Amino acid sequence: DQQVKQNSPSLSVQEGRISILNCDYTNSMFDYFLWYKKYPAEGPTFLISISSIKDKNEDGRFTVFLNKSAKHLSLHIVPSQPGDSAVYFCAATLAGNMLTFGGGTRLMVKP
Amino acid sequence: DAGVIQSPRHEVTEMGQEVTLRCKPISGHDYLFWYRQTMMRGLELLIYFNNNVPIDDSGMPEDRFSAKMPNASFSTLKIQPSEPRDSAVYFCASSETSGLNEQFFGPGTRLTVL
Repeated sequence: DQQVKQNSPSLSVQEGRISILNCDYTNSMFDYFLWYKKYPAEGPTFLISISSIKDKNEDGRFTVFLNKSAKHLSLHIVPSQPGDSAVYFCAATLAGNMLTFGGGTRLMVKP
Repeated sequence: DAGVIQSPRHEVTEMGQEVTLRCKPISGHDYLFWYRQTMMRGLELLIYFNNNVPIDDSGMPEDRFSAKMPNASFSTLKIQPSEPRDSAVYFCASSETSGLNEQFFGPGTRLTVL
């Protein structure tokens, strides 16, 4: 049973517009969430994270929102750039233990 | 630091053969993780080590899979015998702590079992 789910396998956005990637989780005990970005033929790289005591964390063009009551987090990219085209994984952890990853969403930003 | 190093980058083998994947973590990192990425299951954790000791191997799919970490700078993931359904990209990652700090991933090994 997947505890972290990314229900959209792919997303296509026009350059300059907002990209919104979604992630749902089932374990209400998760206390830390991360987003990773993966380019083809490379390993995932850390992008941004958020603690469960917060509902928003912003880093430049990237903002992660956490809705604990809905067990939902989202990653907003504004404005989207062609270089953002990649697979995005959300991940969750409990008390600093290992990460549980979602299945990933492929983002395509069209020029 | 060169980052997490994995070898080989690509491996093509025939069903029944033994496959060994190798990983060198970032120096000073206490945790090492092995992941498998497939279209069906996404990125799944197979096993992780803390200070060279296996902590959780519940993600290892079968007894055909085994992992070792003989020292702080080297780990192997072995599949014996390999099967076509083992075809996937295998990633090694390391971190200073188990989860709260970011994990640094290697480039992965693409395994194809014919």
